Amino acid sequence: SQQGEEDPQALSIQEGENATMNCSYKTSINNLQWYRQNSGRGLVHLILIRSNEREKHSGRLRVTLDTSKKSSSLLITASRAADTASYFCATAPLPGTSYGKLTFGQGTILTVHP
Amino acid sequence: NAGVTQTPKFQVLKTGQSMTLQCAQDMNHEYMSWYRQDPGMGLRLIHYSVGAGITDQGEVPNGYNVSRSTTEDFPLRLLSAAPSQTSVYFCASSRRLAGGQETQYFGPGTRLLVL
Repeated sequence: SQQGEEDPQALSIQEGENATMNCSYKTSINNLQWYRQNSGRGLVHLILIRSNEREKHSGRLRVTLDTSKKSSSLLITASRAADTASYFCATAPLPGTSYGKLTFGQGTILTVHP
Repeated sequence: NAGVTQTPKFQVLKTGQSMTLQCAQDMNHEYMSWYRQDPGMGLRLIHYSVGAGITDQGEVPNGYNVSRSTTEDFPLRLLSAAPSQTSVYFCASSRRLAGGQETQYFGPGTRLLVL
């Protein structure tokens, strides 16, 4: 079963606008990560937030994590046409359990119109 | 570094045929994983490995075998292909970082069509 549920499934915005994607998960986690996938390509890691962190920034990316609600959000500010891609959240199990075992959400398809 | 490489890029099989999807990484990562991606389903874990000689099942292992004889290679075998195995297959590798964190590096994927 899918650990992460992402919302919205698709998002269409104009260049310069902000894009917000949400992810909810079911079980306790070690960390939560966001990945990007351009059409027909492999996934690329964007940012990781640990379970004891509430907010993290990387360039135009801002990630928040609320472990009490088991949810996370990814904000892309001042979006560009090149940000058009699918975005996935992925959760990592607690330490002591197996590595290499991320659980991915279903993804949000972001389209940024020039 | 080439990172994670996968071959072939595209394959067409007939029902019942077998084949091996190749995956190799040159980053000396301990962990390797195989995922399949279907429309609207995100990525689902098939099998994973925490080191040479050690593999385990993921969420959807049926119909697939893996082995890890070296750190670099992690092939995925389809024993008897079925149309339900039509998908895009991604291999990933990762290394344990401080605090138990890891991020995965993905290959470009193999598109498999089973007729």
